[in-house]
Amino acid sequence: DQQVKQNSPSLSVQEGRISILNCDYTNSMFDYFLWYKKYPAEGPTFLISISSIKDKNEDGRFTVFLNKSAKHLSLHIVPSQPGDSAVYFCAASATGTASKLTFGTGTRLQVTL
Amino acid sequence: NAGVMQNPRHLVRRRGQEARLRCSPMKGHSHVYWYRQLPEEGLKFMVYLQKENIIDESGMPKERFSAEFPKEGPSILRIQQVVRGDSAAYFCASSPDGTSPLHFGNGTRLTVT
Repeated sequence: DQQVKQNSPSLSVQEGRISILNCDYTNSMFDYFLWYKKYPAEGPTFLISISSIKDKNEDGRFTVFLNKSAKHLSLHIVPSQPGDSAVYFCAASATGTASKLTFGTGTRLQVTL
Repeated sequence: NAGVMQNPRHLVRRRGQEARLRCSPMKGHSHVYWYRQLPEEGLKFMVYLQKENIIDESGMPKERFSAEFPKEGPSILRIQQVVRGDSAAYFCASSPDGTSPLHFGNGTRLTVT
């Protein structure tokens, strides 16, 4: 039972353009959402989070949007840079905090020159 | 400022042997989490520990798996009588307070032959 879904296994974007990564969830108890970035042979690195009381959170080039009615969130990266090439995981929690996360299967982003 | 340290990075065990995975959290972090990532899947929560206490072990298989986080020393994830299906990447994460975004180690890749 996949409660957090990332339906696009991969995405290729040109340097300088916008990258949009999508995530859907099914559990209505989720109230806190995070995005992690992962390079090969490394652990995930926290990028940005959003609470269910908000619909947008911004941090530099990264913006996360949350649509609770659609149970959908997205991560926008603009402008995309080659160093952004990695696997991006969406994660959700039902505790209002970053504890005990349910992860999606990841989207591999390739930023080309 | 050292991050979350996991060792070994790679561990090969034959079926029926025991595997011990170690995790030293970031300095000042007393909350430790273990996650498992099977090939082509997202990370799955296994267990959440504080010093000397198991807070939530709802993701742990009922048999052969155990975890501890003693007063002194690293957290240990122990897998007894390993089987091929235990082959995975095991990630440890830590948090200072059980609510902040998790900091992950680089994982231990367990291969069961």
